[in-house]
Amino acid sequence: RKEVEQDPGPFNVPEGATVAFNCTYSNSASQSFFWYRQDCRKEPKLLMSVYSSGNEDGRFTAQLNRASQYISLLIRDSKLSDSATYLCVVRRAGANNLFFGTGTRLTVIP
Amino acid sequence: NAGVTQTPKFQVLKTGQSMTLQCAQDMNHNSMYWYRQDPGMGLRLIYYSASEGTTDKGEVPNGYNVSRLNKREFSLRLESAAPSQTSVYFCASRGSTGIEGGYEQYFGPGTRLTVT
Repeated sequence: RKEVEQDPGPFNVPEGATVAFNCTYSNSASQSFFWYRQDCRKEPKLLMSVYSSGNEDGRFTAQLNRASQYISLLIRDSKLSDSATYLCVVRRAGANNLFFGTGTRLTVIP
Repeated sequence: NAGVTQTPKFQVLKTGQSMTLQCAQDMNHNSMYWYRQDPGMGLRLIYYSASEGTTDKGEVPNGYNVSRLNKREFSLRLESAAPSQTSVYFCASRGSTGIEGGYEQYFGPGTRLTVT
């Protein structure tokens, strides 16, 4: 079973729409959680960390459900510039390295 | 402050040839990583170095070697390239975000390698 699983999409949404991505992780020892964004043919960049209480950064909201081992990302009022692949990432307790999901591709349509 | 730099950006090799991918960071980070990214597979860790002088295998180390030359530089070597090593290779370093004790990995721009 993969360490991190995501729906690969693609998600095609109109500008202004709200879209949600989900991700599950298999190892209950996972301790840190992140969403990274990757533009086409570019390197991944941190979008936001995901905290147990949930957190918001402008139009982006991340939620963590440790009991279900489930992470979500909500994007409100989608912009054309949000078009990218969103990577769900986890780190196990005490580990130095990260585990990446395969990514969910989002295209925002004018 | 250039962040993480990688050379070359593109490379084509014939099966059996060798090459070294170079990576350097100027953020004074201790930990550095090499990943490969293949369609439908996500990023997979090849090797990492928690600090200068140490290296450890990741998920897919076979066919690769690494050298942590100093704190700044972490190179990845393919001794005898195979078509299965056609991929995009990313180097990363790990450092503080400066926010609430958080850490993140900062990635280089990647090397696109094709082995024919």
